Amino acid sequence: EADIYQTPRYLVIGTGKKITLECSQTMGHDKMYWYQQDPGMELHLIHYSYGVNSTEKGDLSSESTVSRIRTEHFPLTLESARPSHTSQYLCASSIPPKAGGLSYNEQFFGPGTRLTVL
Amino acid sequence: GNSVTQMEGPVTLSEEAFLTINCTYTATGYPSLFWYVQYPGEGLQLLLKATKADDKGSNKGFEATYRKETTSFHLEKGSVQVSDSAVYFCALTGNEKLTFGTGTRLTIIP
Repeated sequence: EADIYQTPRYLVIGTGKKITLECSQTMGHDKMYWYQQDPGMELHLIHYSYGVNSTEKGDLSSESTVSRIRTEHFPLTLESARPSHTSQYLCASSIPPKAGGLSYNEQFFGPGTRLTVL
Repeated sequence: GNSVTQMEGPVTLSEEAFLTINCTYTATGYPSLFWYVQYPGEGLQLLLKATKADDKGSNKGFEATYRKETTSFHLEKGSVQVSDSAVYFCALTGNEKLTFGTGTRLTIIP
């Protein structure tokens, strides 16, 4: 059973506020990911990390930033939120490759944070 | 690059109907294929997977077969239930990242 947590689950804030979305996993996974899910359901990778001190930009450009100081923790920060940031944000982590085999990159997802910026 | 084309929804079926959600892909090499499900208000859960050609993934009555000749991974279930109402995502990986389809919203009516 995957254990990956996101807080808060719902957040409504005003324009210009700084926010941090938390993501933690207790499985010891090295790889972690942030996705933005638009109202049309499509998922866009915005950040990922291979491990501690590793952060990479995803396929969709985002004004958010991430950090990875500890293996289990991968927070996402918006310095100045805007209405265009309103979306669902999903965090995920993936299992390490099996010894001598391929990485299937099966990802485990948190419950998501639904962000509304007024 | 990799891409996934998924049957557009929404799909509405009566309980106990047969379900097919089509998924085709474009990829280099030999990707692994997945179906994820997202229930209302939740994150994605892995439903099933297949890692090589002709593999059949199955879970909770759902099945999908990895067809390399047709580059497809269609999701099927013989008799759907109201509790199957959710959004279904087809996905593939051949490298470090997952490529998702756009999702298909399924609604089952009693």
